[in-house]
Amino acid sequence: GAVVSQHPSWVICKSGTSVKIECRSLDFQATTMFWYRQFPKQSLMLMATSNEGSKATYEQGVEKDKFLINHASLTLSTLTVTSAHPEDSSFYICSASWDRVREQYFGPGTRLTVT
Amino acid sequence: GENVEQHPSTLSVQEGDSAVIKCTYSDSASNYFPWYKQELGKRPQLIIDIRSNVGEKKDQRIAVTLNKTAKHFSLHITETQPEDSAVYFCAASFSGNTPLVFGKGTRLSVIA
Repeated sequence: GAVVSQHPSWVICKSGTSVKIECRSLDFQATTMFWYRQFPKQSLMLMATSNEGSKATYEQGVEKDKFLINHASLTLSTLTVTSAHPEDSSFYICSASWDRVREQYFGPGTRLTVT
Repeated sequence: GENVEQHPSTLSVQEGDSAVIKCTYSDSASNYFPWYKQELGKRPQLIIDIRSNVGEKKDQRIAVTLNKTAKHFSLHITETQPEDSAVYFCAASFSGNTPLVFGKGTRLSVIA
């Protein structure tokens, strides 16, 4: 099956700093990538949809100036959490797709802890 | 927008028994209904999915049924094993490359 990687797998940062998370499709070209956030013992919540070469579409309640998403190529999307705060601590998971009849392929997730 | 309700939130079964998890969705435009198994700290793993042109799909011990008229779909796991213990999520979307809306999850415990 298709493989999606994320880097880093976990990161600890201090409050007020920025963190960049990378999501890569390793063996296919992803026309669409999605970013989800999952708090402990909760479900996955969509943050934004990212199409290659265009601006991301953010879900209601997700601050686009705080969560910067860039999908500059068909194999790479990045999520930058700017001025991180402890409440941003969460499990961030990306998924990628290239075809409406196929499933979405999930990355392994990035555990962000803001101290 | 789409809203997905999932029940029960927790489910305990004896090894060898069956487990059933039910979901309802609100948007009649949804056509794609995947089920995921997630272990602690891991990515969601697709275990089975169904599209709106099919009423039932089976893969070994796992089956999914879809009732488009009633807007509900269910996951059936037969002959449960301890390794089936995990959190299961249902989801709905228009197609495979549109955003997924997830249910709140069901924590399944299979007791040996």
